[in-house]
This record gives sequence, C-alpha cells and structure tokens, in this order.
Amino acid sequence: AQTVTQSQPEMSVQEAETVTLSCTYDTSENNYYLFWYKQPPSRQMILVIRQEAYKQQNATENRFSVNFQKAAKSFSLKISDSQLGDTAMYFCARGGATNKLIFGTGTLLAVQP
Amino acid sequence: DTGVSQNPRHKITKRGQNVTFRCDPISEHNRLYWYRQTLGQGPEFLTYFQNEAQLEKSRLLSDRFSAERPKGSFSTLEIQRTEQGDSAMYLCASSPRLARSYNEQFFGPGTRLTVL
Repeated sequence: AQTVTQSQPEMSVQEAETVTLSCTYDTSENNYYLFWYKQPPSRQMILVIRQEAYKQQNATENRFSVNFQKAAKSFSLKISDSQLGDTAMYFCARGGATNKLIFGTGTLLAVQP
Repeated sequence: DTGVSQNPRHKITKRGQNVTFRCDPISEHNRLYWYRQTLGQGPEFLTYFQNEAQLEKSRLLSDRFSAERPKGSFSTLEIQRTEQGDSAMYLCASSPRLARSYNEQFFGPGTRLTVL
C-alpha cells in the first residue's frame, strides 16, 4: 500500500523550544517527493518544506528542517524556536509520478506561550 | 496573482440535492487537483486535470461526482443526489508545469459542504 503514516495525533511545545514531528511512508517508486504542509485554523494549506528523494542533503527552510532517512522511509520535520503562529495541523505528504499527493492523517501542534 | 480561490466557501444542502463547487487556479497553472478532507483526516485525492483533460480519477469519485475543466481554466465539481457521507471539506489545488517532475501544489481555502 502506498501510505503515509503520522503516529502523533497531537503535540505540544513551549514557545522558543524545538519540536520534531514524525512521518513514515511506503512507496515502490524510485523517484518521489516528500512534503510537509501546514494547515492553520483558517484551514488553507501552506507548503512548509519539500524534499526530493534523490537528494541526500536534508532540506531546510529558515526554522524548519527535515530529517530524511530514505532507507527507513522516514521523513520528520523539526521546528526550531517555535512561535505561536506555528500552531496548526501539520500534514506529511508524498508525491510522485502519479502527480497526486498522498497525505498522512496529520499532527496537531500547539505552541504554548 | 491572488492564489487559488474556491466558491462557495460554505454550502449547506439537504440530502438528495445537487451541488456544484467552483475552483479558480493560479493563472498559468496547467494542473488542477480536487481533494476531499473529512474531520480528523488528511486530504484524499479525488481527481486531476492537466489543462482541460481529466487524467486521473480516484475510486472515491463515485458516479454521483463529476468534475470538469472547460478551456483549461477554472474547474467545477458537481455532486448529484448528495448523501450525508458527502459532508466534508473539498479542497482544490493547482500546480505549474515544470521541467522537474515534482509538483508543488498550491491549495485553495476549500468549500465546506454540510449535507443535512
């Protein structure tokens, strides 16, 4: 099955602290892409970061970085210096040759002041 | 470029009625996607257009669902004879045609459908 699994339904972190969200996936494709999307309470999905599977270097975008372990099919998101505006649902997603995105069930992150 | 827009934002209907949603993608994006998101779940793929051609449909898209993208611009998603199980957020996304094969998808705000 071509699935994406997020095993943490909810996470909480103190403002300015670091938090890591987990994601594992399954695929039979060699060329694929991984994404983390953020869905704030207003519910518009926003791309946070992406990773091409053929790249060994982990992607980073300001306070957001990933730990991509291709052999383990693991793709975790690290948020450093957490801010109140980071409070949202975070979805891990996989894309590939079929163009559609396959999403996990999401992790609700609450940043506490 | 104002992003992907969807109308209406909310729709309440009675079971058995037909509803139609509209999605306007980002200009020049030739790919358009529809997803359905139920409470507590991630979005699930419904269908995908490249220009005006509908290239893929999910098993989730029953015979009561039809999507069109005339002229390769905006798209409509129609649900006939709505059922309570159709209650969900319907998300539209678009992506540009790039030389690379990855497709960063830009999402609209969604249409929340409630079937009474």
